[in-house]
Amino acid sequence: SSELTQDPAVSVALGQTVRITCQGDSLRSYYASWYQQKPGQAPVVVIYGKNNRPSGIPDRFSGSSSGNSASLTITGAQAEDAADYYCQSRDSSDNHVLFGGGTKLTVL
Amino acid sequence: QLHLQESGPGLVKPSETLSLNCTVSGGSVNNSPYYWAWIRQPPGKGLEWIGIIHYSGTTYYNPSLRSRVGLSVDTSKNQFSLTLSSVTAADTAVYYCARRIMMVRDNWFDPWGQGTLVIVSS
Repeated sequence: SSELTQDPAVSVALGQTVRITCQGDSLRSYYASWYQQKPGQAPVVVIYGKNNRPSGIPDRFSGSSSGNSASLTITGAQAEDAADYYCQSRDSSDNHVLFGGGTKLTVL
Repeated sequence: QLHLQESGPGLVKPSETLSLNCTVSGGSVNNSPYYWAWIRQPPGKGLEWIGIIHYSGTTYYNPSLRSRVGLSVDTSKNQFSLTLSSVTAADTAVYYCARRIMMVRDNWFDPWGQGTLVIVSS
């Protein structure tokens, strides 16, 4: 099916590592991109492609994929990483866009 | 540095047409590799893509909105536009414009505009 599934909420202790996952059939063919959205702000891409970080994104953010699953890992989570995270890809059969439902990350 | 800015009415009456523009600065909408997108986010909810357009006129629409959506590009103004007809309260959302970058196995949106809140209410 043409959907991306994310856990609604995840928490992590300050300084620890957290993995946010995204599942969907399209991920077998296409990489997921990941967006961070803080309250009242537009989303910002933090990972795209196999594991690429735009300029200005800390190297504690990394991405990986396997089969129909993609993950965003934050190694050494900081308080400022608390946000909503969305995965995004494209449909396998056409050029349509897919967004996951989003994961709310809480840093304890 | 590319910058996108949405503009348009913040309040639209039910059954009327929502119209928004996205002005691109620091780059050109007729830069061939790129597509231009509209994405919205209802209050407290997730992201929903609306549609994508290439300056050549090629368009892709979210099937759930296809019958009500129109996209266009005005290269003379370096902007692209969205129309959404027959709006209801369910169309109340923050509307974002963004550039879509596509590779063989990859696609992503960067940058995004700051977003504009559109409320559908009488």
